[in-house]
Amino acid sequence: NAGVMQNPRHLVRRRGQEARLRCSPMKGHSHVYWYRQLPEEGLKFMVYLQKENIIDESGMPKERFSAEFPKEGPSILRIQQVVRGDSAAYFCASGDTYSRDIQYFGAGTRLSVL
Amino acid sequence: DAKTTQPNSMESNEEEPVHLPCNHSTISGTDYIHWYRQLPSQGPEYVIHGLTSNVNNRMASLAIAEDRKSSTLILHRATLRDAAVYYCILRPPRAQKLVFGQGTRLTINP
Repeated sequence: NAGVMQNPRHLVRRRGQEARLRCSPMKGHSHVYWYRQLPEEGLKFMVYLQKENIIDESGMPKERFSAEFPKEGPSILRIQQVVRGDSAAYFCASGDTYSRDIQYFGAGTRLSVL
Repeated sequence: DAKTTQPNSMESNEEEPVHLPCNHSTISGTDYIHWYRQLPSQGPEYVIHGLTSNVNNRMASLAIAEDRKSSTLILHRATLRDAAVYYCILRPPRAQKLVFGQGTRLTINP
């Protein structure tokens, strides 16, 4: 059973470009969570999605950031017009209805903004 | 969110037990105590969780104080692969997000 898959593992963007981060949850999981880890800081919750619905986006910056989890395909975290402060590791986790107590994390995408 | 307090760092030797403490004096009666760890350059990994009773699994044991104001994660026989940042997290029963603190950076000496 494949774990949570995130790609790309490393992403380099210039200021002003768009970054798209993808997350494929574990098979059978319908809950996806995105977290961000800034350099030398702890992990911060960003958004929680179920298939086609955003349930909690209380940790998402108000501008430039968006997330989706379509009926088919991976969840996407999209950052428009990236700035240097967006450089961080972005982690996705998944869970299912029956074991929501446990979140299974991917290896993360490390975004570097030049 | 209820707050947890952990030592910034701890050090132990390979093949010895490790006791990682966590204080959570403001825990509510329904908060679960979760532990995750993050190995270098990897995503967090679930370790164990419990409510009131002590818990054991293949990775570790969780000892919860009778008043629930503190808990201890026990690694029975540390290996070099256990070197990681360990996070103690309080999670209300219907909460979805995990609130990570700074955690304890565990170093294992060969």
